Parts: sequence; structure tokens; C-alpha cells
Amino acid sequence: QVQLQESGPGLVKSSETLSLTCGVPGYSFKRGSYWGWIRQAPGKGLEWIGAIHQTGSTFYTPSLKSRVTFSLDTSRNQISLKLTSVTAADTAVYYCARHDLFFRGQGTPVTVSS
Amino acid sequence: DIVMTQTPLSSPVTLGQPASISCRSSQSLLHSDGKTYLSWLQQRPGQPPRLLVHETSNRFSGVPDRFSGSGAGTDFTLKISRVETEDVGIYYCMQATEFPPTFGPGTKLEI
Repeated sequence: QVQLQESGPGLVKSSETLSLTCGVPGYSFKRGSYWGWIRQAPGKGLEWIGAIHQTGSTFYTPSLKSRVTFSLDTSRNQISLKLTSVTAADTAVYYCARHDLFFRGQGTPVTVSS
Repeated sequence: DIVMTQTPLSSPVTLGQPASISCRSSQSLLHSDGKTYLSWLQQRPGQPPRLLVHETSNRFSGVPDRFSGSGAGTDFTLKISRVETEDVGIYYCMQATEFPPTFGPGTKLEI
């Protein structure tokens, strides 16, 4: 079982950039699959932000594409997310996961403050 | 993007009785590789989502056999043969046939 672990700042100021990382221990990205991020705003449903493949291929949800950057570090077995110009609407629990949800983290809460 | 809808959005259930949730996609989820990438997830209160069923009808590791998935094309169903207390939560369908994957709005199962 692959245990993903997200890490992040917890609190981000409005208009700044949110940076999150996720460790994927014991799994080689060379095996393929997309690895990315899902978020869930308080009291709301699940939303894919997007994901990245070891080949560099990415997908995004259209509404966030202009503000999102993904990276994948095979040497550290880690994926990262940067979300720019955050607003209160970006307050959510952020989960890292394989695209098929076979593996996912426990989530890290992010609050955007004014 | 493929739009996923679920019915009902809320479902009162009785312990020991069956329950059923429907999911419909805005286009066929049959992939060119012959597989149908429709999954079901359970989210208990305060917990992350948990994969129950993948590729329409395959139970994920450790999922009780009272959960079963079925369907094809654009119409899918999750059935619980006998509801238990621990089944309370929100159930989501998710398609991964076309990227980006998309979720249904969720169905709240309550006793």
C-alpha cells in the first residue's frame, strides 16, 4: 500500500501563491499513471485540480488552468502544486492522489486569509 | 468535460435494508481500450474519500462484498445489499475515461 503524505503552509494570504508537496514513498513514477491534486471546499464536493505524468503530460480542470503549475520529482518521489493569486474560494482540503484514486493522501487543509 | 449527475442527492435508509445510488454521465464512459472507467467513492464524516469500486464493478481491496457496482455506457448504479451503521456518509461517482476526471455531486446516505 502506497501512503501519500501532503505538506503545506496551512494558511495563505489572499493574492499570494499556495505551494503544496506530496511524498509518494515506495512507488516508482516510471511505472506510469498520473499523479495530482483534488480539493474539497468546506461543505462542498470533490474537485480535480489536475495531474501530471512522469512523461510531463498534464491535465487540468479548465477553471484553474491559468493559475496552476504541477511538477514531479522522480529523485525525491514527490509531486508539487503551485496555485497563484489565491482567494477565499481556494480555501479547501487538498488531497494528492493517483488519477484512479487507488492511492491518495489524508489531505492537508488550506485557509486563505485576507 | 464530462458532466456526472447522481440521484438521489439524499437518501434516508434503514439498517439491514438495501440501498441504491444512480449515476449518469453526459457521454458514454466506454474507453477506446474497451474498459469503462467509472468509480465509486465513499466519504465518511471527517474522513478523506475512499475508493469502493473501480471500472464499474470491481471492488477495491478491503471493500465489503455488500457493495456492488453495475452499469454501462452512461448509466451506473452502486448497491449496498444490507446497510450498516458505518455506511453513513457521502457517495461520489467519478469518471476517468476522459481527462480531466470528474465527480458527481455526491449522494448523502443517512440512517
